[in-house]
Amino acid sequence: DVHMTQSPSSLSASVGDRVTITCRASETIDMYLNWYQQKPGKAPKLLIYHISSLQTGVPSRFSGSGSGTDFTLTISSLHPDDFATYYCQQSFFIPRTFGRGTRVEIK
Amino acid sequence: EVQLLESGGDLVHPGGSLRLACSASGFDFNNYPMSWVRQAPGKGPEWIALISGSGGRTDYADSVKGRFTVSRDNSKNTLYLQMDSLRVEDTAMYYCAKDWGISAPFDYWGQGTLVSVSS
Repeated sequence: DVHMTQSPSSLSASVGDRVTITCRASETIDMYLNWYQQKPGKAPKLLIYHISSLQTGVPSRFSGSGSGTDFTLTISSLHPDDFATYYCQQSFFIPRTFGRGTRVEIK
Repeated sequence: EVQLLESGGDLVHPGGSLRLACSASGFDFNNYPMSWVRQAPGKGPEWIALISGSGGRTDYADSVKGRFTVSRDNSKNTLYLQMDSLRVEDTAMYYCAKDWGISAPFDYWGQGTLVSVSS
């Protein structure tokens, strides 16, 4: 199985901060890297698919980059609504695997 | 508007069985693969099963293979997960998720249904 390693596992940031979350796959997954946002008690929500494509309705302050095995989610200026847990996921191989998440907390 | 509504979650004893259902609306259900994804308390999501749009192909995570069966009734726009030989470690929120194609992400998720396995 492809193992997805996210870092950091949590971070504290202030409104307006630039936030970067990284995700590393244990093997090459081509372009098939996706990012989800999850708030407490809710289902995950797709933010970015295929490394850098923004899902419809997702604000442009979210962006994704990377290639091969190393990927990044960036929030250019943190909004109050962005405090949540973020997961990366690969959709190249079965089983589809997720990272363990990065919790973004208010400083 | 795409809507996915899970049902069937319950408290069950180890070794027991449960059948989850996911009612779909707002899209051509038979044209899309569907998955079940679960999330144990305080953990990240875990994909467990996938079924093609026609129902002719299924895939499972090793953790549930041989115990869980995914199926669909396209005439009823409903996805199912038959869960047998349940274990304590199967305790989780179970989500159905729409899969928009091969190597695609899960673009829509239901609200989840809670399965608790405990003696």
